[in-house]
Amino acid sequence: DAGITQSPRYKITETGRQVTLMCHQTWSHSYMFWYRQDLGHGLRLIYYSAAADITDKGEVPDGYVVSRSKTENFPLTLESATRSQTSVYFCASSVGDWPQHFGDGTRLSIL
Amino acid sequence: SQELEQSPQSLIVQEGKNLTINCTSSKTLYGLYWYKQKYGEGLIFLMMLQKGGEEKSHEKITAKLDEKKQQSSLHITASQPSHAGIYLCGAVQMDSSYKLIFGSGTRLLVRP
Repeated sequence: DAGITQSPRYKITETGRQVTLMCHQTWSHSYMFWYRQDLGHGLRLIYYSAAADITDKGEVPDGYVVSRSKTENFPLTLESATRSQTSVYFCASSVGDWPQHFGDGTRLSIL
Repeated sequence: SQELEQSPQSLIVQEGKNLTINCTSSKTLYGLYWYKQKYGEGLIFLMMLQKGGEEKSHEKITAKLDEKKQQSSLHITASQPSHAGIYLCGAVQMDSSYKLIFGSGTRLLVRP
């Protein structure tokens, strides 16, 4: 089925470890986004991509790395996880000015 | 930087009652999206408002954009338990129409 899928849905890891969150969309949308959602902060943009091989920082990029070698995939990597990165992460995609479509999220806990 | 403030932060209403959620921007609104999030799930797009004075409706939900007040309101008529969730507003950024900044959300609970 067409859509946007995130994996894993839940992840527990330890501080200092590297962890990658996956995002895959089947619409061939040009834009993709990563957000984190924390109580009291709403959704904050981490990184976004306007097309394959084009990425840019959002509001809270520190500690995160992204890549986009293919239009449909936009993985987010925490190179050395910290407790402050415990959050719910959402991936979204869109076509230009049209509404962003969101995945179901990855709940990440860092111990 | 632009900030969006949603009010109220949480709301409990009896089924059948009407309710309004507000989203106020610290800067000019160039476009406003409303999303609904069910607990533990992703965001579902509800409506997009692009022009001052614009009003859109879907089923029992109506959203309005007041450019002068830099505010949007979401009104639910005759609420149902299925309306429960978190409602988030997202504003289009002046420098890029595809990036959004979000409010912190309004949690709605509808009691049967």
